[in-house]
Amino acid sequence: QVQLVESGGGVVQSGRSLRLSCAASGFTFRNYGMDWVRQAPGKGLEWVAIIYYDGSNKYYADSVKGRFTISRDNSKNTLYLQMNSLGVEDTAVYYCASDRWEGRVRRLDYWGQGTLVTVSS
Amino acid sequence: QSVLTQPPSASGTPGQRVTISCSGSSSNVGSYTVNWYQQLPGTAPKLLIYGNDQRPSGVPDRFSGSKSGTSASLAISGLQSEDEADYYCAAWDDSLNGHVFGTGTKATVL
Repeated sequence: QVQLVESGGGVVQSGRSLRLSCAASGFTFRNYGMDWVRQAPGKGLEWVAIIYYDGSNKYYADSVKGRFTISRDNSKNTLYLQMNSLGVEDTAVYYCASDRWEGRVRRLDYWGQGTLVTVSS
Repeated sequence: QSVLTQPPSASGTPGQRVTISCSGSSSNVGSYTVNWYQQLPGTAPKLLIYGNDQRPSGVPDRFSGSKSGTSASLAISGLQSEDEADYYCAAWDDSLNGHVFGTGTKATVL
């Protein structure tokens, strides 16, 4: 069965960096786009970034552009999110999700359990 | 950065039908299909409806979706206690080159 397991979250001071990982199994990772989505405590879902199946294209939400970098290693079935210059507003649970699209039908099929990032001032 | 608008809450008694609306724009709902995600308390979101009205394997048929123009809706027929959750609509957005989510609706079974 499909499994997405995030790791790397924790408590970090404002201005510092953190790298999240997402280990994928149960599907052909190299054939899928992958996303990061976050959820601040008590708030809704916010899309963060996407990377295409081969890493050729990457897009970011305005709120993280220039600070976060999404990457993947298809040989290790792993997705990453490098987060720099963290601020308290980045405190959230970060989810990775597999991205499937067929024409104009695009969806986030499977989600990990999430990893909590807490940025302290 | 929610771009899709949903009502904050929806409620009904067991067995009732509840609908949740989702309003977007031409760059997202108007151009791409809509997905709905269910988030049970303390858990990760789960894909509930994709392609406006398609249910992934294992999703009960009491959940249904529809779309017209730049609006979409989710209907829950025969509401059950286990349907208490947060529901989010979402769609791809051309101007963002990313997924946009709705503001979320908390469904309560009275």
